[in-house]
Amino acid sequence: EPEVTQTPSHQVTQMGQEVILRCVPISNHLYFYWYRQILGQKVEFLVSFYNNEISEKSEIFDDQFSVERPDGSNFTLKIRSTKLEDSAMYFCASSVGTGGSTVDTFGSGTRLTVV
Amino acid sequence: GESVGLHLPTLSVQEGDNSIINCAYSNSASDYFIWYKQESGKGPQFIIDIRSNMDKRQGQRVTVLLNKTVKHLSLQIAATQPGDSAVYFCAENGNAGNNRKLIWGLGTSLAVNP
Repeated sequence: EPEVTQTPSHQVTQMGQEVILRCVPISNHLYFYWYRQILGQKVEFLVSFYNNEISEKSEIFDDQFSVERPDGSNFTLKIRSTKLEDSAMYFCASSVGTGGSTVDTFGSGTRLTVV
Repeated sequence: GESVGLHLPTLSVQEGDNSIINCAYSNSASDYFIWYKQESGKGPQFIIDIRSNMDKRQGQRVTVLLNKTVKHLSLQIAATQPGDSAVYFCAENGNAGNNRKLIWGLGTSLAVNP
């Protein structure tokens, strides 16, 4: 069964450093998403991406964050100048479309720890 | 503001019993709702969804009920098995348009006792 692959599974970084979280969506999917989940809290939408541009973003997704699809397979989330409160699980997801009954497939996540 | 929340943060059931997980939502404009299952160390996994023009949808051992009058969503799991132990999230599509923007509830932890 096709999977969304995320690397690394765990990233530890010092406060103020930049990190890049990587995702390989399912090959025939067109829509890509990043979510985050702070420990013990709800999953939060960050951004959706389609046709090489951001289609929707949340209030969380400020200038500190950026996304990119540098080639035909990878989808990355860059976090600049990381803060302690950026520590969370970051999930990438992809889907064929956005209509009802379109299933989003999630990766296993990257646990980001900012120290 | 928009929010989706869970009535019960934890639920413990006996193997073989039926489980009911509840969710309240506040955005009456949401047109699509999804239940996800998240096992420890894994990403959320789609279970079942329902559109706002429906009030019930059944899958394999799972049923989702939608009550738009009271903005309530529930997930029923029949004959609960140990493999059903996980955190269950409801989510609603916060955008009525084509851009999907899921708003998630806090999650209910389901523990199945053998």
